[in-house]
Amino acid sequence: DTAVSQTPKYLVTQMGNDKSIKCEQNLGHDTMYWYKQDSKKFLKIMFSYNNKELIINETVPNRFSPKSPDKAHLNLHINSLELGDSAVYFCASSREFQSSSSYEQYFGPGTRLTVT
Amino acid sequence: RKEVEQDPGPFNVPEGATVAFNCTYSNSASQSFFWYRQDCRKEPKLLMSVYSSGNEDGRFTAQLNRASQYISLLIRDSKLSDSATYLCVVIGGGSYIPTFGRGTSLIVHP
Repeated sequence: DTAVSQTPKYLVTQMGNDKSIKCEQNLGHDTMYWYKQDSKKFLKIMFSYNNKELIINETVPNRFSPKSPDKAHLNLHINSLELGDSAVYFCASSREFQSSSSYEQYFGPGTRLTVT
Repeated sequence: RKEVEQDPGPFNVPEGATVAFNCTYSNSASQSFFWYRQDCRKEPKLLMSVYSSGNEDGRFTAQLNRASQYISLLIRDSKLSDSATYLCVVIGGGSYIPTFGRGTSLIVHP
């Protein structure tokens, strides 16, 4: 009964390719996020969607494009992959956005992306 | 000064020890604080929220010091299974963007 799931778990690809990562949550949460965790283990938010609307868009190259077809899904598409994109990408969800008491986040298992 | 800072450790302690970590934050308007735990090659998992008056969950105690702008996590009677990286998260201060610290590594040995 996975709460937040991501596919694929591992992704190895060459520079210049385009790839997508999918995320789904069955918690009934309104808000979903994408995080990047680099080799130094620093976890940084990339995007957040609330009820399918983009609400957080941190300084991320426009090669990264999130898409939320409905509030249970948030996908990440990456164009023209670069070596520096190698990292673990985590999806997360939380109950709602503008209520800090409900800000507890639940993370997916991560997608380990390696660009060669 | 970084927004959220943690001592990366590792903190190496024997089973049964008490260990404490601090996490400092730079934005005095921050409103919400959390501790997460991350095992090697796994996702972060919420350990506990940090309330203004301090809160306890079993062997874990979290506290907030607004005057000095830090939160703390105390673990009593450490278990081998407590070995992990502990991440603090700070939210608020005009935005709801969560900022994670780099984490503090704890190793509990027999």
